[in-house]
Amino acid sequence: EVQLVESGGGLVQPGGSLRLSCAASGFTFSNWMNWVRQAPGKGLEWVANIKQDGSEKYYVDSVKGRFTISRDNAKNSLYLQMNSLRAEDTAVYYCVSKHYWGQGTLVTVSS
Amino acid sequence: QSVLTQPPSVSAAPGQKVTISCSGSNSNIGNDFVSWYQQLPGTAPKLLIYDNNQRPSGIPDRFSGSKSGTSATLGITGLQTGDEADYYCGTWDSSLSAYVFGTGTKVTVL
Repeated sequence: EVQLVESGGGLVQPGGSLRLSCAASGFTFSNWMNWVRQAPGKGLEWVANIKQDGSEKYYVDSVKGRFTISRDNAKNSLYLQMNSLRAEDTAVYYCVSKHYWGQGTLVTVSS
Repeated sequence: QSVLTQPPSVSAAPGQKVTISCSGSNSNIGNDFVSWYQQLPGTAPKLLIYDNNQRPSGIPDRFSGSKSGTSATLGITGLQTGDEADYYCGTWDSSLSAYVFGTGTKVTVL
Protein backbone atom coordinates (compact mmCIF):
# COMPACT_ATOMS: atom_id res chain seq x y z
CA GLU A 1 0.00 0.00 0.00
CA VAL A 2 1.29 3.43 -0.96
CA GLN A 3 1.64 5.83 1.92
CA LEU A 4 2.90 9.38 2.22
CA VAL A 5 2.66 10.53 5.81
CA GLU A 6 3.42 14.15 6.66
CA SER A 7 4.28 15.39 10.12
CA GLY A 8 5.69 18.45 11.81
CA GLY A 9 2.89 20.94 11.30
CA GLY A 10 1.51 23.12 14.05
CA LEU A 11 1.06 26.65 15.34
CA VAL A 12 4.05 28.97 15.06
CA GLN A 13 4.52 32.69 15.54
CA PRO A 14 5.41 34.97 12.63
CA GLY A 15 9.14 34.85 12.04
CA GLY A 16 9.39 31.37 13.48
CA SER A 17 10.51 28.09 11.97
CA LEU A 18 9.11 24.63 11.39
CA ARG A 19 10.44 21.48 9.76
CA LEU A 20 8.00 19.27 7.93
CA SER A 21 8.72 15.61 7.30
CA CYS A 22 7.18 13.11 4.92
CA ALA A 23 7.64 9.35 5.27
CA ALA A 24 7.08 7.42 2.05
CA SER A 25 6.39 3.73 1.62
CA GLY A 26 4.90 1.31 -0.88
CA PHE A 27 6.32 2.88 -4.02
CA THR A 28 9.62 3.77 -5.63
CA PHE A 29 10.90 6.81 -3.76
CA SER A 30 13.53 7.52 -6.42
CA ASN A 31 11.42 10.10 -8.23
CA TRP A 32 11.04 13.84 -8.12
CA MET A 33 9.22 14.80 -4.92
CA ASN A 34 7.15 17.89 -4.22
CA TRP A 35 5.58 19.97 -1.51
CA VAL A 36 2.23 21.54 -2.37
CA ARG A 37 0.17 23.74 -0.07
CA GLN A 38 -3.41 24.88 0.17
CA ALA A 39 -4.43 27.90 2.21
CA PRO A 40 -7.83 27.69 3.92
CA GLY A 41 -10.57 27.93 1.33
CA LYS A 42 -8.08 28.49 -1.49
CA GLY A 43 -6.66 26.56 -4.42
CA LEU A 44 -3.52 24.48 -4.72
CA GLU A 45 -0.09 26.11 -4.75
CA TRP A 46 3.08 24.22 -5.59
CA VAL A 47 5.85 25.10 -3.14
CA ALA A 48 9.01 23.21 -4.09
CA ASN A 49 10.42 20.08 -5.64
CA ILE A 50 13.63 18.07 -5.56
CA LYS A 51 15.25 15.70 -8.02
CA GLN A 52 15.90 12.06 -7.18
CA ASP A 53 19.50 12.63 -6.11
CA GLY A 54 18.90 16.07 -4.61
CA SER A 55 21.01 17.81 -7.23
CA GLU A 56 18.19 20.04 -8.47
CA LYS A 57 15.69 21.98 -6.39
CA TYR A 58 13.06 24.50 -7.43
CA TYR A 59 10.90 26.84 -5.38
CA VAL A 60 7.92 29.11 -5.87
CA ASP A 61 9.07 32.72 -5.73
CA SER A 62 7.21 33.49 -2.50
CA VAL A 63 9.31 31.03 -0.46
CA LYS A 64 12.72 31.42 -2.08
CA GLY A 65 15.37 32.14 0.52
CA ARG A 66 13.07 31.07 3.38
CA PHE A 67 12.22 27.42 2.67
CA THR A 68 14.59 24.54 1.94
CA ILE A 69 13.55 21.18 0.52
CA SER A 70 15.67 18.10 1.15
CA ARG A 71 15.40 14.32 1.08
CA ASP A 72 16.99 11.22 2.55
CA ASN A 73 16.57 8.36 0.09
CA ALA A 74 17.95 5.83 2.58
CA LYS A 75 15.04 6.69 4.87
CA ASN A 76 12.48 7.25 2.09
CA SER A 77 11.87 10.66 3.59
CA LEU A 78 11.24 14.17 2.33
CA TYR A 79 11.64 17.36 4.33
CA LEU A 80 10.74 21.04 4.18
CA GLN A 81 12.58 23.44 6.44
CA MET A 82 10.52 26.59 6.76
CA ASN A 83 12.10 29.73 8.23
CA SER A 84 10.92 33.32 8.63
CA LEU A 85 7.34 32.14 8.49
CA ARG A 86 4.59 34.60 7.60
CA ALA A 87 0.84 34.61 8.10
CA GLU A 88 0.41 33.94 4.38
CA ASP A 89 2.27 30.63 4.77
CA THR A 90 -0.69 29.30 6.74
CA ALA A 91 -1.91 26.26 4.82
CA VAL A 92 -2.19 22.52 4.67
CA TYR A 93 1.10 21.21 3.28
CA TYR A 94 1.02 18.08 1.14
CA CYS A 95 3.87 15.76 0.25
CA VAL A 96 3.42 14.73 -3.39
CA SER A 97 5.09 12.30 -5.74
CA LYS A 98 4.15 12.09 -9.42
CA HIS A 99 1.20 9.84 -8.67
CA TYR A 100 0.50 10.07 -4.94
CA TRP A 101 -0.48 12.66 -2.36
CA GLY A 102 -0.21 12.52 1.39
CA GLN A 103 -3.05 13.58 3.68
CA GLY A 104 -1.37 16.82 4.58
CA THR A 105 -0.22 18.61 7.71
CA LEU A 106 -1.59 21.96 8.84
CA VAL A 107 0.76 24.87 9.42
CA THR A 108 -0.70 27.90 11.15
CA VAL A 109 1.35 31.07 11.44
CA SER A 110 -0.20 33.40 13.96
CA SER A 111 0.65 35.39 17.07
CA GLN B 1 -2.47 34.65 -9.51
CA SER B 2 -2.43 31.37 -11.42
CA VAL B 3 -1.10 31.21 -14.97
CA LEU B 4 -3.56 28.44 -15.83
CA THR B 5 -7.18 29.50 -16.19
CA GLN B 6 -10.16 27.26 -15.50
CA PRO B 7 -13.87 28.04 -15.28
CA PRO B 8 -14.91 28.54 -11.64
CA SER B 9 -17.74 26.03 -11.89
CA VAL B 10 -19.54 23.60 -14.16
CA SER B 11 -22.67 21.58 -13.53
CA ALA B 12 -24.81 18.91 -15.12
CA ALA B 13 -27.42 16.32 -14.24
CA PRO B 14 -26.52 12.77 -13.24
CA GLY B 15 -25.52 10.67 -16.22
CA GLN B 16 -24.60 13.69 -18.31
CA LYS B 17 -21.16 14.85 -19.44
CA VAL B 18 -19.10 17.84 -18.38
CA THR B 19 -15.88 19.25 -19.72
CA ILE B 20 -13.42 21.47 -17.87
CA SER B 21 -11.00 23.63 -19.80
CA CYS B 22 -7.53 24.68 -18.71
CA SER B 23 -5.96 27.52 -20.66
CA GLY B 24 -2.27 28.32 -20.50
CA SER B 25 0.59 29.40 -22.71
CA ASN B 26 3.59 28.17 -24.69
CA SER B 27 5.76 28.08 -21.58
CA ASN B 28 3.51 25.68 -19.68
CA ILE B 29 0.76 23.64 -21.37
CA GLY B 30 2.33 24.18 -24.77
CA ASN B 31 5.63 22.82 -23.51
CA ASP B 32 4.91 19.96 -21.13
CA PHE B 33 2.49 17.25 -20.06
CA VAL B 34 -0.69 18.18 -18.21
CA SER B 35 -2.10 16.45 -15.14
CA TRP B 36 -5.53 16.69 -13.58
CA TYR B 37 -6.38 16.34 -9.90
CA GLN B 38 -9.65 15.71 -8.08
CA GLN B 39 -10.24 17.02 -4.58
CA LEU B 40 -13.33 15.68 -2.89
CA PRO B 41 -14.71 17.85 -0.05
CA GLY B 42 -12.51 17.69 3.03
CA THR B 43 -9.94 15.36 1.50
CA ALA B 44 -6.49 15.53 -0.06
CA PRO B 45 -6.24 15.89 -3.83
CA LYS B 46 -5.88 12.76 -5.95
CA LEU B 47 -4.26 12.28 -9.35
CA LEU B 48 -6.91 11.74 -12.00
CA ILE B 49 -5.01 12.12 -15.29
CA TYR B 50 -1.30 12.37 -16.02
CA ASP B 51 0.74 12.89 -19.18
CA ASN B 52 -2.25 14.63 -20.83
CA ASN B 53 -4.47 11.58 -21.17
CA GLN B 54 -3.25 8.70 -19.02
CA ARG B 55 -5.30 7.33 -16.14
CA PRO B 56 -3.64 5.88 -13.04
CA SER B 57 -4.82 2.44 -12.06
CA GLY B 58 -8.21 2.57 -10.37
CA ILE B 59 -9.43 5.67 -12.19
CA PRO B 60 -12.52 4.80 -14.27
CA ASP B 61 -12.59 5.49 -17.98
CA ARG B 62 -15.42 7.96 -17.41
CA PHE B 63 -12.57 10.41 -16.86
CA SER B 64 -10.54 11.48 -19.89
CA GLY B 65 -7.96 14.11 -20.72
CA SER B 66 -6.79 15.80 -23.87
CA LYS B 67 -4.47 18.59 -24.90
CA SER B 68 -4.27 20.84 -27.92
CA GLY B 69 -1.73 23.61 -28.20
CA THR B 70 -1.86 25.71 -25.07
CA SER B 71 -5.11 24.31 -23.72
CA ALA B 72 -6.15 21.10 -22.03
CA THR B 73 -9.52 19.57 -21.28
CA LEU B 74 -10.85 17.16 -18.70
CA GLY B 75 -13.99 15.25 -19.58
CA ILE B 76 -16.28 13.42 -17.20
CA THR B 77 -19.01 11.23 -18.64
CA GLY B 78 -21.80 9.42 -16.84
CA LEU B 79 -21.72 12.04 -14.10
CA GLN B 80 -22.32 10.74 -10.58
CA THR B 81 -23.03 12.51 -7.29
CA GLY B 82 -19.69 11.19 -6.07
CA ASP B 83 -17.96 13.28 -8.74
CA GLU B 84 -18.87 16.50 -6.94
CA ALA B 85 -15.45 17.94 -6.20
CA ASP B 86 -12.91 20.56 -7.11
CA TYR B 87 -10.76 19.78 -10.14
CA TYR B 88 -7.35 21.28 -10.90
CA CYS B 89 -5.06 21.11 -13.89
CA GLY B 90 -1.31 21.35 -13.47
CA THR B 91 1.90 21.40 -15.45
CA TRP B 92 5.50 22.63 -15.38
CA ASP B 93 6.16 26.18 -16.50
CA SER B 94 9.57 26.49 -18.10
CA SER B 95 9.66 30.29 -17.87
CA LEU B 96 8.91 30.31 -14.15
CA SER B 97 10.86 27.10 -13.42
CA ALA B 98 7.89 26.19 -11.30
CA TYR B 99 4.97 23.82 -11.31
CA VAL B 100 1.70 25.67 -11.79
CA PHE B 101 -1.86 24.72 -10.96
CA GLY B 102 -5.04 25.95 -12.54
CA THR B 103 -7.48 28.15 -10.68
CA GLY B 104 -9.72 25.18 -9.96
CA THR B 105 -13.22 24.20 -11.08
CA LYS B 106 -16.05 23.11 -8.84
CA VAL B 107 -18.22 20.40 -10.38
CA THR B 108 -21.82 20.26 -9.20
CA VAL B 109 -24.19 17.43 -9.99
CA LEU B 110 -27.68 18.88 -10.28
